[in-house]
Amino acid sequence: AQSVTQLGSHVSVSEGALVLLRCNYSSSVPPYLFWYVQYPNQGLQLLLKYTSAATLVKGINGFEAEFKKSETSFHLTKPSAHMSDAAEYFCAVIMDTGRRALTFGSGTRLQVQP
Amino acid sequence: DAEITQSPRHKITETGRQVTLACHQTWNHNNMFWYRQDLGHGLRLIHYSYGVQDTNKGEVSDGYSVSRSNTEDLPLTLESAASSQTSVYFCASSSDRSTDTQYFGPGTRLTVL
Repeated sequence: AQSVTQLGSHVSVSEGALVLLRCNYSSSVPPYLFWYVQYPNQGLQLLLKYTSAATLVKGINGFEAEFKKSETSFHLTKPSAHMSDAAEYFCAVIMDTGRRALTFGSGTRLQVQP
Repeated sequence: DAEITQSPRHKITETGRQVTLACHQTWNHNNMFWYRQDLGHGLRLIHYSYGVQDTNKGEVSDGYSVSRSNTEDLPLTLESAASSQTSVYFCASSSDRSTDTQYFGPGTRLTVL
């Protein structure tokens, strides 16, 4: 079964600190992986995606993620948090290329403290 | 600029009523999706379509239906609204490849009393 797990429903960091949001998927086949961000009362916006090319993927707003097949992980990082990063972040996966719909994790709400 | 819009943005209805949520995209995408967002569940797939006259059920399709008569629109109908269908509904679209980005609408907040 398709599954993606996000560890930590809430993460709080100080402004300027490292941001690390965790995502693990369950599959023996490398999937397509995505990170989306949702600001309050808005739709979802793509941050970055992994599509079997480079394992370190750079996205918008200074975020990046590394695909690690051995750990079945695709954690999202940003070296220095900004107040504007406060939002909800979703990891999503497409396991089956014949099916183009996304399977989402339950989300992680990031708070940035001044 | 191409976009994806949803209407209404907010809707309050009563149990048992039929409700239709609109989704319109100007990307000319073949793929369209409906998801619902509930606290603790992330987004879950309701229905999806790969083109005109094509519709498919997602994981939480009970009580919902869609139809695709043109490329631009995929309306979502709640046949007989239930309180369990109180949620935020998102429409999305993408072009043909699995790796292509899905673009999301702004969402419709539906309350069923």
